[in-house]
Amino acid sequence: GAVVSQHPSRVICKSGTSVKIECRSLDFQATTMFWYRQFPKQSLMLMATSNEGSKATYEQGVEKDKFLINHASLTLSTLTVTSAHPEDSSFYICSATHTGSNQPQHFGDGTRLSIL
Amino acid sequence: KQEVTQIPAALSVPEGENLVLNCSFTDSAIYNLQWFRQDHGKGLTSLLLIQSSQREQTSGRLNASLDKSSGRSTLYIAASQPGDSATYLCAVGPNDYKLSFGAGTTVTVRA
Repeated sequence: GAVVSQHPSRVICKSGTSVKIECRSLDFQATTMFWYRQFPKQSLMLMATSNEGSKATYEQGVEKDKFLINHASLTLSTLTVTSAHPEDSSFYICSATHTGSNQPQHFGDGTRLSIL
Repeated sequence: KQEVTQIPAALSVPEGENLVLNCSFTDSAIYNLQWFRQDHGKGLTSLLLIQSSQREQTSGRLNASLDKSSGRSTLYIAASQPGDSATYLCAVGPNDYKLSFGAGTTVTVRA
């Protein structure tokens, strides 16, 4: 149980393109979803926390106008990288959890974003 | 700000040897600690979750200990197999369950 599906798994696009990444919880209701970014051989860095039906909370240094997050339902959150540039190339991973203390986060398989 | 460190960064062992992976964190006020496995270019798979009140958790060949006062956790993998080759990440969560991750230990088990 507790499957999180992330799509697409890989994106290659030109500079200036906007890219949307979807994160879906397949068999549970995800009241909270998290978006992480991971550079090669580095740890995951939390970008933002999104709760269903409310605005996302962004970590310090993350541009909210650059990384648009929508969590419109209990099973879907989207991250849109607007006007992507080569420095946005990275591995983006989402995770989801449901209400309750000490509920583990369940992670998607990640999206490899390459901006040319 | 919580800092999580994992040592060593990489480890290569022959099949059958036991693995010992270390994780340290600077702020002992944690809610829980988790160990994850990440295969190359993939997402994370949760291995073990230790509540702050617990000292260890076991699942099959995996055992994780937690010493909150000293800010340390150790993941033991018994009788390693080539399929255990992956990067292992340690993460600690504060009360609002936002996780702080270490950079991981990349394990190679040689057949």
